[in-house]
Amino acid sequence: AQSVTQLGSHVSVSEGALVLLRCNYSSSVPPYLFWYVQYPNQGLQLLLKYTSAATLVKGINGFEAEFKKSETSFHLTKPSAHMSDAAEYFCAVREGDDKIIFGKGTRLHILP
Amino acid sequence: DTGVSQNPRHKITKRGQNVTFRCDPISEHNRLYWYRQTLGQGPEFLTYFQNEAQLEKSRLLSDRFSAERPKGSFSTLEIQRTEQGDSAMYLCASSRTYTEAFFGQGTRLTVV
Repeated sequence: AQSVTQLGSHVSVSEGALVLLRCNYSSSVPPYLFWYVQYPNQGLQLLLKYTSAATLVKGINGFEAEFKKSETSFHLTKPSAHMSDAAEYFCAVREGDDKIIFGKGTRLHILP
Repeated sequence: DTGVSQNPRHKITKRGQNVTFRCDPISEHNRLYWYRQTLGQGPEFLTYFQNEAQLEKSRLLSDRFSAERPKGSFSTLEIQRTEQGDSAMYLCASSRTYTEAFFGQGTRLTVV
């Protein structure tokens, strides 16, 4: 069965610094991978998705993620953090047309 | 396209009462998912539908929980004999097969 591990439940970066949120997945078949963002008391919003096309995926708000099969990773990055990026970020995986499984999330704090 | 709609947004109920939540998916989406999210955790899979067929129900889910999707349109999630441990945000999402899921704003349940 597919699963997702997000390393670090909390990550703090200074405004303007690089953001790196880590995600490793487990899947018995080529996966579909997603990053979602959640602001307080809101639903989840899709940031970006990997669907077996380009391994470097660009998303909204300047975020991108790289699919690395050899490392079973799909880390999320942004070159320069902004205060508005403070939120909870979730990595998710789906095998084929199966259900979508989420990681436990990483809360991103932006330091002024 | 009005997005995924969930009602009510908030529900406070006494322990032992039954509650029902409704989800209206994006109209052309054949998949509908229910997740539960507690504070500081990722969305936990509950169940999902393809059209009106319930494809899977989490083995962790109590028999007090039931979901339906009559006619493959809206869905309802019912919790019978609520317990304090049922207090959580209940998220609904919809998608086409093989695509990303779009989430509603969630229903926050508080059992007192």
